[in-house]
Amino acid sequence: DGGITQSPKYLFRKEGQNVTLSCEQNLNHDAMYWYRQDPGQGLRLIYYSQIVNDFQKGDIAEGYSVSREKKESFPLTVTSAQKNPTAFYLCASSPGLAGANVLTFGAGSRLTVL
Amino acid sequence: DAKTTQPPSMDCAEGRAANLPCNHSTISGNEYVYWYRQIHSQGPQYIIHGLKNNETNEMASLIITEDRKSSTLILPHATLRDTAVYYCIVRGFYGGSQGNLIFGKGTKLSVKP
Repeated sequence: DGGITQSPKYLFRKEGQNVTLSCEQNLNHDAMYWYRQDPGQGLRLIYYSQIVNDFQKGDIAEGYSVSREKKESFPLTVTSAQKNPTAFYLCASSPGLAGANVLTFGAGSRLTVL
Repeated sequence: DAKTTQPPSMDCAEGRAANLPCNHSTISGNEYVYWYRQIHSQGPQYIIHGLKNNETNEMASLIITEDRKSSTLILPHATLRDTAVYYCIVRGFYGGSQGNLIFGKGTKLSVKP
């Protein structure tokens, strides 16, 4: 089945440590996205990528970094510069960025900073 | 900021139709209306989207008013598994930041036996 795989599902981190969340898709989609969700809130866009080796900041990119070396992979690194990293992180992909393209989401990764 | 307004919560009896309203009074002619839902601690699931015309698929129907300032998502026969937060989203026609999904807080739909 085609889809998006996020790992790990749960992750604990000590303050001051960087952590990388994995996102892999086998849908052959060009565009990929990372969102953050806090309790009781909607999703907020961190980064998005239209194509390999290209990515753009979203609304809340500070303290995060991404890479897009392969079409199917879009890892997110939560750096120590992110002041409040505890959240639910969601990866998504779509055939392209245009508005008619439906985003497909992964199951999410829950990060807790101890 | 989200460009839509939804009631924070709604109840629906199992087997009845669930009608979820959404106001998007500032929508422009080149923006889509999308609906997603999210069951607790899972990723959002796509339901349906439309530009001007009403749309129907195997999950739901989307009714968009003629002036496009509001819409209604209809789940024809709600089941307990339809209990979720439903997000109405206005999304730009073009790519880049204008085409990104901007999520509000959505409507918490509770389907009761």
